[in-house]
Amino acid sequence: DGGITQSPKYLFRKEGQNVTLSCEQNLNHDAMYWYRQDPGQGLRLIYYSQIVNDFQKGDIAEGYSVSREKKESFPLTVTSAQKNPTAFYLCASRKQRGRNEKLFFGSGTQLSVL
Amino acid sequence: RKEVEQDPGPFNVPEGATVAFNCTYSNSASQSFFWYRQDCRKEPKLLMSVYSSGNEDGRFTAQLNRASQYISLLIRDSKLSDSATYLCVVSISSGSARQLTFGSGTQLTVLP
Repeated sequence: DGGITQSPKYLFRKEGQNVTLSCEQNLNHDAMYWYRQDPGQGLRLIYYSQIVNDFQKGDIAEGYSVSREKKESFPLTVTSAQKNPTAFYLCASRKQRGRNEKLFFGSGTQLSVL
Repeated sequence: RKEVEQDPGPFNVPEGATVAFNCTYSNSASQSFFWYRQDCRKEPKLLMSVYSSGNEDGRFTAQLNRASQYISLLIRDSKLSDSATYLCVVSISSGSARQLTFGSGTQLTVLP
């Protein structure tokens, strides 16, 4: 079955440590996105990518980095510069053609600071 | 002003009630509109797209008012399983990119 796989489901980070969240999709979607969700709030865009080897900053990119070396993969690194990383992180993908292209989500990664 | 604003929650309604959520958007260039449902600590899942003429899917009805820049979601005969957070999502086109903006969500609890 096609879908988006995020791993790990839970991740703990020590002070000053970089951690990488994995996101893989086999839906042949062009666009991929990373969102952050804090309790009681909506999703905020961190980074997005329209095509391989290209990505753009979203609204809250500081302290994060991404890469898009393959169409299927869009890993997110939470760097030590992100001072408040505890949140629920969601990866998503969608086709680019058409006006009502739907967004498909992975099951999320809960990141906590030790 | 937020780009996408939703009714503040939480909504606590009895089983069988009809409940409506509103969502306003500020960018008149917005092109596509969606309602997503999110259960606690789970990923959002598409409930329905919203079309200009309005659309219905079983107990759920979505409406779009471009002139007033709002969309709505009506749930009839609410079930316990409808308890969730409902996210309003608006899509704009920015050059070759298409970005989605999420509302902060409205929490619904259906009580027995």
